[in-house]
Amino acid sequence: QVQLVESGGGVVQPGRSLRLSCAASGITFSRYAMHWVRQAPGKGLEWVALISYDGTNEYYADSVKGRISISRDNSKNTLYLQMSSLRAEDTAVYYCTRDPSDGYNYFANWGQGTLVTVSS
Amino acid sequence: QSALTQPRSVSGSPGQSVTISCTGTSSDVGGYNYVSWYQQHPGKAPKAMIYGVSKRPSGVPDRFSGSKSGNTASLTISGLQAEDEGDYYCCSYAGSYTWVFGGGTKVTVL
Repeated sequence: QVQLVESGGGVVQPGRSLRLSCAASGITFSRYAMHWVRQAPGKGLEWVALISYDGTNEYYADSVKGRISISRDNSKNTLYLQMSSLRAEDTAVYYCTRDPSDGYNYFANWGQGTLVTVSS
Repeated sequence: QSALTQPRSVSGSPGQSVTISCTGTSSDVGGYNYVSWYQQHPGKAPKAMIYGVSKRPSGVPDRFSGSKSGNTASLTISGLQAEDEGDYYCCSYAGSYTWVFGGGTKVTVL
């Protein structure tokens, strides 16, 4: 059974940095591309970033490009999201999701999410 | 990249069918057969219900079906049940390794 567990969220001041983690189990983590998707309070879903199965390729939404970095450690079965220069509009629940890497480009499994609140 | 357009809400009685539309452009919905749909209950993580326009992940009831025509995709829930109440989001691959979601539709079972 696939399990994705995010951590690292919390309250952070504008302009500061934060790193989120997502621990994966129940899958061969190194086989799959992974995404981060976020949801602002009371709002819809927004795709944030994608990393390839081996970490060699990264892609970002325009809204976060240059401020957010996705990475992974396949030896630890862990996905990361490094966020810097945080803004109020980055306040959201951040979900780690698995791309089944079967060519259908969707989000097959989701973690429970971790809440990031950017506030002074 | 603009969000896909979904109705804010739809409703139906138990046993009825409801359809949620998701309108994009030729750069996303119309350009790829990579439309997916997600169900989200309050306070919970989203769950994949449809992928590849019309395919159901294992364990999703066949009451859920998807289709696409041009730049508009649709999710139909047949034989509506109380547990189907929640928010539904469509999503499309938008090229260059980017994805775009719809604004979400609240499904109410009367």
